[in-house]
Amino acid sequence: DAMVIQNPRYQVTQFGKPVTLSCSQTLNHNVMYWYQQKSSQAPKLLFHYYDKDFNNEADTPDNFQSRRPNTSFCFLDIRSPGLGDAAMYLCATSRPDSSTDTQYFGPGTRLTVL
Amino acid sequence: AQSVTQLGSHVSVSEGALVLLRCNYSSSVPPYLFWYVQYPNQGLQLLLKYTSAATLVKGINGFEAEFKKSETSFHLTKPSAHMSDAAEYFCALDGDSSYKLIFGSGTRLLVRP
Repeated sequence: DAMVIQNPRYQVTQFGKPVTLSCSQTLNHNVMYWYQQKSSQAPKLLFHYYDKDFNNEADTPDNFQSRRPNTSFCFLDIRSPGLGDAAMYLCATSRPDSSTDTQYFGPGTRLTVL
Repeated sequence: AQSVTQLGSHVSVSEGALVLLRCNYSSSVPPYLFWYVQYPNQGLQLLLKYTSAATLVKGINGFEAEFKKSETSFHLTKPSAHMSDAAEYFCALDGDSSYKLIFGSGTRLLVRP
């Protein structure tokens, strides 16, 4: 089945220790998104890639970076995680040239910062 | 500005009862609207979407939603709740800025035995 995969599902890191979260997709979608979701809140868009074009949300902290080496993979790098960065991180994909720009989400990575 | 409002952060129903989750939107352009469901420690799963083809949209797991332009609403319903429906539900709007979903704040559905 075509899908969005996130690894790892659970990640524990230490305060200030860089961490990378991974997302891959077999849908061949050209847009990939990263969201941060804190407890009992809606997902908050951090940034997205349209093909290789990177689009950062204005309020995304500089601590968050992303890489997309190819169509299938996208990474979220947190350079110096703080306690406030503990959250669920969701990857999503879409293909805007289809009839609707529907976003399909992965299972998420829950990040704990000690 | 575009926005989505979900009335009721928590909704509790008995098993077998009607489920009604409310969503109102504000949009300056004809919207695409979505309902997603999120189970604990999971990602968001698409339940259904409105794309202007039909005002009554049927989704997975017996859910449906009706787009009412006059009321700017897109409420989610299910005739008979099941214990497995207990989850967080998000209504979302395809925003006018490129590739951005505008989410409501979510409604947690509790199903009582």
